[in-house]
Amino acid sequence: LAKTTQPISMDSYEGQEVNITCSHNNIATNDYITWYQQFPSQGPRFIIQGYKTKVTNEVASLFIPADRKSSTLSLPRVSLSDTAVYYCLVGYMRFGAGTRLTVKP
Amino acid sequence: DADVTQTPRNRITKTGKRIMLECSQTKGHDRMYWYRQDPGLGLRLIYYSFDVKDINKGEISDGYSVSRQAQAKFSLSLESAIPNQTALYFCATSDSWADSNQPQHFGDGTRLSIL
Repeated sequence: LAKTTQPISMDSYEGQEVNITCSHNNIATNDYITWYQQFPSQGPRFIIQGYKTKVTNEVASLFIPADRKSSTLSLPRVSLSDTAVYYCLVGYMRFGAGTRLTVKP
Repeated sequence: DADVTQTPRNRITKTGKRIMLECSQTKGHDRMYWYRQDPGLGLRLIYYSFDVKDINKGEISDGYSVSRQAQAKFSLSLESAIPNQTALYFCATSDSWADSNQPQHFGDGTRLSIL
């Protein structure tokens, strides 16, 4: 399987916008990109999904360029409760290793 | 997700033992998955099933087997456990309409330690 790559960790402060990018060079034509959030002792939880361009919901936005070789999860105005590990999933098999986001006061 | 239940939540066992992890769901989804999670490696797919008669190997199926007893139940077995199978195991489900990329719903995991 081709790799799905994302940064290991990121730090931010309350109220800031956070962007986490995932690289997926060998994405297949029918693959969607899905982002999940995981807290300790819990399973990953769905945040947002997209195929191309931009998708927005009540908690996040997802930006996917025309070549679809990367995707960026954008969390507006983060709070302490957004401290978690964020995973991108390409298709249904290729999870990234996760980005640990720490939000500081 | 409370609709995806994994049992047991924690298990400690010895090398060479046979172990079964169970997953049941009340979401009515056709598709079910088993993953293992290791620090720094994220989630890796072990097996997946798109319906009761369908079983497929994932990225890391060696040393594992599965059984899809019904639409709602998907079990993962370690026939002869070894210490490097110590990990956090997750079951997930997804709907089957449209395409294979419907969002997955995860259980809260089984923490397995093999001594």
